[in-house]
Amino acid sequence: QKEVEQDPGPLSVPEGAIVSLNCTYSNSAFQYFMWYRQYSRKGPELLMYTYSSGNKEDGRFTAQVDKSSKYISLFIRDSQPSDSATYLCAMSEDSGAGSYQLTFGKGTKLSVIP
Amino acid sequence: NAGVMQNPRHLVRRRGQEARLRCSPMKGHSHVYWYRQLPEEGLKFMVYLQKENIIDESGMPKERFSAEFPKEGPSILRIQQVVRGDSAAYFCASSRDRGNQPQHFGDGTRLSIL
Repeated sequence: QKEVEQDPGPLSVPEGAIVSLNCTYSNSAFQYFMWYRQYSRKGPELLMYTYSSGNKEDGRFTAQVDKSSKYISLFIRDSQPSDSATYLCAMSEDSGAGSYQLTFGKGTKLSVIP
Repeated sequence: NAGVMQNPRHLVRRRGQEARLRCSPMKGHSHVYWYRQLPEEGLKFMVYLQKENIIDESGMPKERFSAEFPKEGPSILRIQQVVRGDSAAYFCASSRDRGNQPQHFGDGTRLSIL
């Protein structure tokens, strides 16, 4: 079982739709959870950063963490064509050396159709 | 991804040559992480460095790969005697402090081995 599972898609939605992206994980030691957006030929761009279970909202984006179920989600409201990208979930724990290396899902490719 | 600068953006090497990838962290950041993204794979952690110190190299291949982050200048990821399997995108991320701080990524170096 991979540490972080993420449906690769592709996911295609009409403009204005609500998008739901999800990841599950197996390592209960993960403490910090992130969502990154990656455009083609670019580096990952940090969208959301959360620690505790619950919801965190930032503009059209809401990140949700359920540690008991080992499940995280990213919701995008009023999706726009400019949201078309690959979305990566990432998680970290203290490796013991003070290294909070990130463990990534493989990414979900999203297309928002005008 | 303003701030974290990686160069070159593209690097072509023949088998057996050396590849040097450079990363300058964001201003005010003194912690650098290197990740590798193989085709059809997710981002994988390689090494975590602070100035003049390697903190965690648990993700580095045992041979041919090395990294440094000198007191002055960029962090360098060095791959000796490259092979076709080294073809990948190599990303650098930086964070402000030790511990759990958000990691911000550069746009990567795409290494192609002929």
